[in-house]
Amino acid sequence: QVQLVESGGGVVQPGGSLRLSCAASGFIFSSYGMHWVRQAPGKGLEWVAFIRYDGSNTYHADSVQGRFTISRDNPKNTLYVQMNSLRTEDTAVYYCAKAMGLSVYAPLDYWGQGTLVTVSS
Amino acid sequence: QSALTQPRSVSGSPGQSVTISCTGTSSDVGGYNYVSWYQQHPGKAPKFMIYDVSKRPSGVPDRFSGSKSGNTASLTISGLQAEDEADYYCCSYAGSYTLGVFGGGTKLTVL
Repeated sequence: QVQLVESGGGVVQPGGSLRLSCAASGFIFSSYGMHWVRQAPGKGLEWVAFIRYDGSNTYHADSVQGRFTISRDNPKNTLYVQMNSLRTEDTAVYYCAKAMGLSVYAPLDYWGQGTLVTVSS
Repeated sequence: QSALTQPRSVSGSPGQSVTISCTGTSSDVGGYNYVSWYQQHPGKAPKFMIYDVSKRPSGVPDRFSGSKSGNTASLTISGLQAEDEADYYCCSYAGSYTLGVFGGGTKLTVL
């Protein structure tokens, strides 16, 4: 069965950096696009970034553009997001999610359990 | 890209039907038939419920249905059950720059 396991969350000071990982199993990782979605405490979902199945194209929300970078290592079945210049408003649970198909508009059919990132001094 | 507009809360009694609306613009909901819906129980990850406006993934009960008219998409849950009590989020493709935009979420209470 599909499993997505995020790791790398923690407490970081404003202006700091963090790299999150998402280990995937139960499907052919290299055949699907992948997303990061976040949820601030008590708030709704916010799409963060998407990467195509082969890493050829990446897309980032305006709120993280230039600070976050999504990437993937297909031989390792792992998705990443490098988060730099972190702000207090980046505090959230970060979910990785699998796209249902190849297209950029494919829905998110499987989600990990999330990892909490807290940006605080 | 602004979030899609959903009612903060809806409620219904067991066995009844409820509808949750999701209003966007012609740049997202109205422009594409790529609306999806997600259910989230407290402390849990979102669960995929509806895609391409009205299609159900395997395993999702047919009590859940989706539709769209103009810039507004809707999720209808019929025959409400206690386990349907959760937060529901809509999501729409919003073009090749901002791929996805979510609604603010709707809390469903089963009375």
